[in-house]
Amino acid sequence: AQSVTQLGSHVSVSEGALVLLRCNYSSSVPPYLFWYVQYPNQGLQLLLKYTSAATLVKGINGFEAEFKKSETSFHLTKPSAHMSDAAEYFCAVSPTSYDKVIFGPGTSLSVIP
Amino acid sequence: EAQVTQNPRYLITVTGKKLTVTCSQNMNHEYMSWYRQDPGLGLRQIYYSMNVEVTDKGDVPEGYKVSRKEKRNFPLILESPSPNQTSLYFCASSSSRGGSSGRWNEQFFGPGTRLTVL
Repeated sequence: AQSVTQLGSHVSVSEGALVLLRCNYSSSVPPYLFWYVQYPNQGLQLLLKYTSAATLVKGINGFEAEFKKSETSFHLTKPSAHMSDAAEYFCAVSPTSYDKVIFGPGTSLSVIP
Repeated sequence: EAQVTQNPRYLITVTGKKLTVTCSQNMNHEYMSWYRQDPGLGLRQIYYSMNVEVTDKGDVPEGYKVSRKEKRNFPLILESPSPNQTSLYFCASSSSRGGSSGRWNEQFFGPGTRLTVL
């Protein structure tokens, strides 16, 4: 069965510092991978997705993620944190064969002025 | 405007009183899904539907029912709610299989329904 782990339920960074949110997945085949963001009192919206076209994926708001098959990882990064980046971030995985998405537990990102 | 709507947004009810949370999308999406979000557990899928009259259980279906009589609507039914169903619920939709590439498409989420069962 596929699963997703996110290291660190809460991450704090200073404004302007690098953001690194970790995601590891377990899958017998390369899956489709996603990062979603949830701002307070809102639904989730897609940041970026990996669908085997390129290992480095660029998303909205300056975020990007790199798929590393050897490490079964899909970490999310942003070079310089902004106050507006404070939110909950979810990594998700979907198998290739049917329409099901499994979400990780989420990482809450705080940005300190 | 393309969107997924849910109603109600907030609901407080008592144990055993049947309730329905509606979900509607205006994007002609084939795939719809219900999730519940609980602290530390992320989103867990309750039920999903690949098209009209096609539904299947997700990871936590116990205590819930769904129906898909129309493409745009996917209501979530709690026949006899219990306190452990107190949660934040999200409906989502997507275009199934992402066209000719067969790739999974982005899920569009509703704003959420916060349910409290006393």
